[in-house]
Order: sequence, then structure tokens, then C-alpha cells
Amino acid sequence: EPEVTQTPSHQVTQMGQEVILRCVPISNHLYFYWYRQILGQKVEFLVSFYNNEISEKSEIFDDQFSVERPDGSNFTLKIRSTKLEDSAMYFCASSAGTEAQHFGDGTRLSIL
Amino acid sequence: QKEVEQDPGPLSVPEGAIVSLNCTYSNSAFQYFMWYRQYSRKGPELLMYTYSSGNKEDGRFTAQVDKSSKYISLFIRDSQPSDSATYLCAMREDTGRRALTFGSGTRLQVQP
Repeated sequence: EPEVTQTPSHQVTQMGQEVILRCVPISNHLYFYWYRQILGQKVEFLVSFYNNEISEKSEIFDDQFSVERPDGSNFTLKIRSTKLEDSAMYFCASSAGTEAQHFGDGTRLSIL
Repeated sequence: QKEVEQDPGPLSVPEGAIVSLNCTYSNSAFQYFMWYRQYSRKGPELLMYTYSSGNKEDGRFTAQVDKSSKYISLFIRDSQPSDSATYLCAMREDTGRRALTFGSGTRLQVQP
């Protein structure tokens, strides 16, 4: 069964550094998403992306965040200047349209 | 009032029991309802996806949506130790917005 893959599984970064999280969505999907889950808290929506542009974003997704689809298969989330509070699991998801979103296994981001 | 409320558990049942998991919500614009299963250190895995009110059955799983009460349920029949996981409800509006709003998750333990 097709799946969403994310790399790396764990990323450790110094505060203030830039980090890029990578995702390969399911190949025939057109909508791409990033969510995060801080330890012990709910999964929270960050951003959705369609037709090479952001279609929706939450108030969490401020100017330090950006997303990109650099080629036909990858979808990335960049955090420009990481803060301690950015430590979380980051999940990528994709969907074909109105169908359900399918999630990857996440990248655990640890900010030191 | 939180937008989506879900009892965190833990819920402990013997193998073979019928499990009932529930969420309530406040946003009457929610039209798509999902249940995800999340194992430790893994991403949410889609179990059930329903639109508007009614029941949907898939194997041992039944999802129910009562929009008049703003209440959704997931029933698991003949529960197995492998069903031990955290169960997340999620929902979204039937508009251009695709962001999912998640419950906090219910941790289920099925005892052999």
C-alpha cells in the first residue's frame, strides 16, 4: 500500500539553526500538509499546500516557517531560526482531494 | 469550550471485549469525521472516514456520527491486544478548509 515517507526520523539541532524536514507524499496525491505534535499534546495543523502554493495555514505557521515542493516528489518544511518550543513530532500528510489525509511516521525534532 | 473533546483514558479492557471510544465537538460546520490509530513513535494511521451523519462499518470497526448531538463514536468488536494504541478522532469542515482538528486521543490497552 502506498505510504507517506518522512526523513530524517530524528533531527537534533541547536537553537537558532535552520532545519529542513523532508517528506515524500503518496504519488498521485495533490494536497500536502504539515502537522505537529508537541509531547503529550494534540496533533495541530500547520499548513496545507496545493498547486504549488499555500492554501491554508494556522497561526502557528508564522514567518519562521516555509514550505516548498522542490520537485515532483518531495515536500519540505523549513524552520528558519529554531526555538526550544519548536521541539515536537512533525507529521507530513497527503490526500487525493476530499478523501482522507494519510500521514507519515513523523520526524522527531529536538532543539537543544 | 474546546473544539474537540476526547477522554484521554487510559481505557483497559480484556481481550474479546467491545470497545467504545467517543468524541464531542462544538463546531457545527464539521462534516468530515475520521478515526486514526497511533502506535507509540508512529504517525496516525487512518481507520475510518465518514461524511456527515450515519454509521459506517469496516471489519471489526464501526464508526457512528450523530451531528444533532455533535457526538461521534468508534466501536471495536472482539478487541485484540494488537488494538492497544492511542485512538484519535479528527474532523474538518466541508468548505475549502482542509485543516483537520484533532481530539487529544484515548489510550486503549487490551489485556490478553
